[in-house]
Amino acid sequence: SSELTQDPAVSVALGQTVRITCQGDNLRSYYASWYQQEPGQAPVLVIYGENRRPSGIPDRFSGSSSGTTTSLTITGAQAEDEADYYCSSRDSSGNHLVFGGGTKLTVL
Amino acid sequence: QVQLQESGPGLVKPSETLSLTCTVSGGSISTYYWTWIRQPPGKGLEWIGYIYSSGSTKYNPSLKSRVTISMDTSKNQFSLKLSSVTAADTAVYYCARLLAAYYHMDVWGKGTTVTVSS
Repeated sequence: SSELTQDPAVSVALGQTVRITCQGDNLRSYYASWYQQEPGQAPVLVIYGENRRPSGIPDRFSGSSSGTTTSLTITGAQAEDEADYYCSSRDSSGNHLVFGGGTKLTVL
Repeated sequence: QVQLQESGPGLVKPSETLSLTCTVSGGSISTYYWTWIRQPPGKGLEWIGYIYSSGSTKYNPSLKSRVTISMDTSKNQFSLKLSSVTAADTAVYYCARLLAAYYHMDVWGKGTTVTVSS
């Protein structure tokens, strides 16, 4: 299976823009999805596909990709965005799923 | 609105089999893919496997020898069995709906904690 690599921790000042990245060779072939997880809660899907947001997800969340890197961008980060963020995608076989190790986002 | 709820024993002895069920409400299990994910304490998410409505399955290669996922369409449920458990299998176990378009999980259960201990 393939691996997805994320920075363990990222911080952003309140109201500023932050980009959380996810790297993996399989991302050349498959889109990633992004999940937000607050402490003690189940993950919530925030971005999937090319740059799609589920209903109810604020439009300050967006996604992009280039080569082997996919990114989640939060434009105008809010205090409530402080959480762990995980990327996920299909592995190189296309039959299995893999998750990145997660990024802890701190909003200062 | 589809909702998922995990259920099963919170404590399992080492070497025994962990068994969990996910009950789907608000929609039929007879479409989509359904998947299990787990999260050990203080660690990240790990995909366990999924089942399609046809009954076909795919498992994480690292767990494949110990995992079985099945479904019961009459009860609108799907289940996870993980055999020969050790303390390393202690985790919060989530069930989720997997959409094939982008292999993304749009609906999650709240999770259930399973501890492996004698």
